[in-house]
Amino acid sequence: QQQVKQSPQSLIVQKGGISIINCAYENTAFDYFPWYQQFPGKGPALLIAIRPDVSEKKEGRFTISFNKSAKQFSLHIMDSQPGDSATYFCAATPFGNEKLTFGTGTRLTIIP
Amino acid sequence: ETGVTQSPTHLIKTRGQQVTLRCSSQSGHNTVSWYQQALGQGPQFIFQYYREEENGRGNFPPRFSGLQFPNYSSELNVNALELDDSALYLCASSWTDQETQYFGPGTRLLVL
Repeated sequence: QQQVKQSPQSLIVQKGGISIINCAYENTAFDYFPWYQQFPGKGPALLIAIRPDVSEKKEGRFTISFNKSAKQFSLHIMDSQPGDSATYFCAATPFGNEKLTFGTGTRLTIIP
Repeated sequence: ETGVTQSPTHLIKTRGQQVTLRCSSQSGHNTVSWYQQALGQGPQFIFQYYREEENGRGNFPPRFSGLQFPNYSSELNVNALELDDSALYLCASSWTDQETQYFGPGTRLLVL
């Protein structure tokens, strides 16, 4: 059972544009929602994370928006750069439980 | 502070063989989780070890087993390899009850 659905599967954005990736979850026990960035041949690296007590979290060019009632959250990358080209995974886990459930990933390509 | 390291980086085995993958936790982390990432998919949780005991398991058969050592390093053992076991195996370490997991670069296993 896939508990975290991620879209789109792939995304092409012009340099300087905004990249938006969406995720939806089913398990109401989830209480921590990280985003990971993965480059080819590398392990996932934590990008930014949020808990549902806030609706938005911003770190530099990266922002998570969270809608608890809709059980949805999204990653926004502002001023997208070619170096942002990577695969992005949303994930979720219950608080204090470290077993992450990942989405299927979004392959982001930033074109000049 | 050293990051999570894994060995070997690549491995080729034949069906029916056994394999052992190794992981060294990030300094100060006492919990290790293992994930399997098939090509084009998100990581899937295999199991987690805390204080040398298995602390949760995903939907993987018993031929997937593990160990954690007193220095918090860990092994993943897979017996009777099948073609579908071909994947990137990721190790992640964390501190107890903290959600943030730090991933290693992974071991790419190919089963022929």
